[in-house]
Amino acid sequence: DTGVSQNPRHKITKRGQNVTFRCDPISEHNRLYWYRQTLGQGPEFLTYFQNEAQLEKSRLLSDRFSAERPKGSFSTLEIQRTEQGDSAMYLCASSLAREWPQHFGDGTRLSIL
Amino acid sequence: QQQVKQSPQSLIVQKGGISIINCAYENTAFDYFPWYQQFPGKGPALLIAIRPDVSEKKEGRFTISFNKSAKQFSLHIMDSQPGDSATYFCAARGGFDRGSTLGRLYFGRGTQLTVWP
Repeated sequence: DTGVSQNPRHKITKRGQNVTFRCDPISEHNRLYWYRQTLGQGPEFLTYFQNEAQLEKSRLLSDRFSAERPKGSFSTLEIQRTEQGDSAMYLCASSLAREWPQHFGDGTRLSIL
Repeated sequence: QQQVKQSPQSLIVQKGGISIINCAYENTAFDYFPWYQQFPGKGPALLIAIRPDVSEKKEGRFTISFNKSAKQFSLHIMDSQPGDSATYFCAARGGFDRGSTLGRLYFGRGTQLTVWP
């Protein structure tokens, strides 16, 4: 399967712990986006990369969140000192360029105990 | 502020019927309007999309109608099937933030469609 791949699919952690998610985009897609989806809502934009450069961050992305995309391939999203409100589905999408459609992975569901 | 407003929140349709989901937006800088279908435990999957210079686009049983002057667009699912039962999201791309075109998608809150056999 050559779609967007996200790992892990589920993550359960205690409040205050750090977590890291990984996204492998579709090969040759130079744009990579992170979104967050809470229950009953549509996805909300967090940040995006063009190749290895992080070009924009949403106000939703507090300083506890950091994202990287070394070498312009896979990306990681880290949340430090997790809080109850961080419980959500974290979705990654990639596209060939801005004008092309965004294709989503199946997400990482984060549950904070 | 919700950039894309979607209705209804839930929809129940009989098999073979027509499902209609509506969306409205305000930002005239949006340049692309996709619809995504999402099943439980899965990510959104692109269904069909339209650009604002086109008033209608049809792909199989799925049709988007676009009214640029009213800033509204809708998804019509003809001959609805139980397998269409899912959550549908409309979205809009673009807009400008501090002078840059981001390409981010703004999503509606979703419509949970149930098709009864």
